[in-house]
Amino acid sequence: AQKITQTQPGMFVQEKEAVTLDCTYDTSDPSYGLFWYKQPSSGEMIFLIYQGSYDQQNATEGRYSLNFQKARKSANLVISASQLGDSAMYFCAMRLLNSGGSNYKLTFGKGTLLTVNP
Amino acid sequence: EPEVTQTPSHQVTQMGQEVILRCVPISNHLYFYWYRQILGQKVEFLVSFYNNEISEKSEIFDDQFSVERPDGSNFTLKIRSTKLEDSAMYFCASNRGTYNEQFFGPGTRLTVL
Repeated sequence: AQKITQTQPGMFVQEKEAVTLDCTYDTSDPSYGLFWYKQPSSGEMIFLIYQGSYDQQNATEGRYSLNFQKARKSANLVISASQLGDSAMYFCAMRLLNSGGSNYKLTFGKGTLLTVNP
Repeated sequence: EPEVTQTPSHQVTQMGQEVILRCVPISNHLYFYWYRQILGQKVEFLVSFYNNEISEKSEIFDDQFSVERPDGSNFTLKIRSTKLEDSAMYFCASNRGTYNEQFFGPGTRLTVL
């Protein structure tokens, strides 16, 4: 079974600074994908970034980058130049990629509440 | 940009009543999912659906739950006899293929009294 651990219940960052949100995962399957989603106070889930287990380079999407360290089983999200609108809950999630047609569910961590201070 | 839609946004029901939560996935997507999030907790998988049948379900998805794709566009989650502990945000999600990210709808907040 897959497991996602987010050890930071809450994080604070000053506007315009960078912040790293931690995520570690556990699986015995070699083929998986890692995702980060943002959940603002309005409640919707917004996809941010994806990293495949076989990807050679760390994923980047605008101000978001994923610090993928496969040997350590970590997939930390880095947000550069934080903005007030980045204040939200952030969830790390994982999915197996080769499961014979099933088991494509996302397994989520408990989330980190990020607060950006002006 | 196409998006997943869900109705209603908020549903209040009495314990023991049946509820149906509705979702319209993105039109060219093939895989559909329901997740739930109890207030302040993590998002939990309920069920996945592909090719008009359930492909996987969690232990939460017991006999009180069912899913259906009654036509080419809607995807529904039915809870036959709601319990207090069913109070949660229910998210529908869809994706085109197994290598693609899942797009989530805005959620339905279910309150069971």
